[in-house]
Amino acid sequence: KNEVEQSPQNLTAQEGEFITINCSYSVGISALHWLQQHPGGGIVSLFMLSSGKKKHGRLIATINIQEKHSSLHITASHPRDSAVYICAVKLWGGGTSYGKLTFGQGTILTVHP
Amino acid sequence: DVKVTQSSRYLVKRTGEKVFLECVQDMDHENMFWYRQDPGLGLRLIYFSYDVKMKEKGDIPEGYSVSREKKERFSLILESASTNQTSMYLCASSLRTGFRGTDTQYFGPGTRLTVL
Repeated sequence: KNEVEQSPQNLTAQEGEFITINCSYSVGISALHWLQQHPGGGIVSLFMLSSGKKKHGRLIATINIQEKHSSLHITASHPRDSAVYICAVKLWGGGTSYGKLTFGQGTILTVHP
Repeated sequence: DVKVTQSSRYLVKRTGEKVFLECVQDMDHENMFWYRQDPGLGLRLIYFSYDVKMKEKGDIPEGYSVSREKKERFSLILESASTNQTSMYLCASSLRTGFRGTDTQYFGPGTRLTVL
C-alpha cells in the first residue's frame, strides 16, 4: 500500500465546476505539498501546508492532521486548469533533514469548455 | 526565481549505450534529486544528493549512478541503457532547511528518454 494515496486518479469536469482532489497519507508528516504538472512535463509547487488552509486565486488547499487527509479545491474551473495534480509529503523520521518527499500517484484533471 | 535546467528535452539512445543526463540549478541549493516518472507509477526517486560529492540511493537506484562534483550540477548516468529505462526523467533541487523545514522542491522541465 502506498504511503500517499490520491483520489480520484482521473477527473473530468465542465468549465465552471467546483473540483476537489483528495490526498490521504498513512504516516506522520511534517509538511504536505500540492504540485501541478502541465502537459510537457514541468512541475510547479502550488502549496505547502503543515496545518489549516491556504488560498491562492481560485485554488484552496486544506489539511486535517488528525485525519491524515488533505484536499485541493479549484473553484470556477477553467480548461487551463487541466493538468496532473500531485500530492507529496515530507515524512517524520530518518532522512527528512535531506528534504526527501514521498509522492502520490497524481490526479489527471481535464476541464472541458 | 529558481531555475533548474536539464541538458535535453528529448533523447533517443540505443540499448547498451552509456547515457548522461545533466541538471543545473542556479539557486545554491544543497539538495538535488533525480526522479523518473512513468504512467500509473507517479514520481519515483532514483538518487539524491545533499551536498557536493554526497549521494544517497532512492527507491529505484538499480541501473543508475550519479555524480555531483559541483554544487550546482547533478548528473544521472545510465551505464548501459536498457529499454525498461525509457521514461521521463525529472531533476529537482531544494534548500536544506532541516527537520522542520518546508523543503519545497523546484523541478526542471524533464527529459523524455527513449531507449531503442
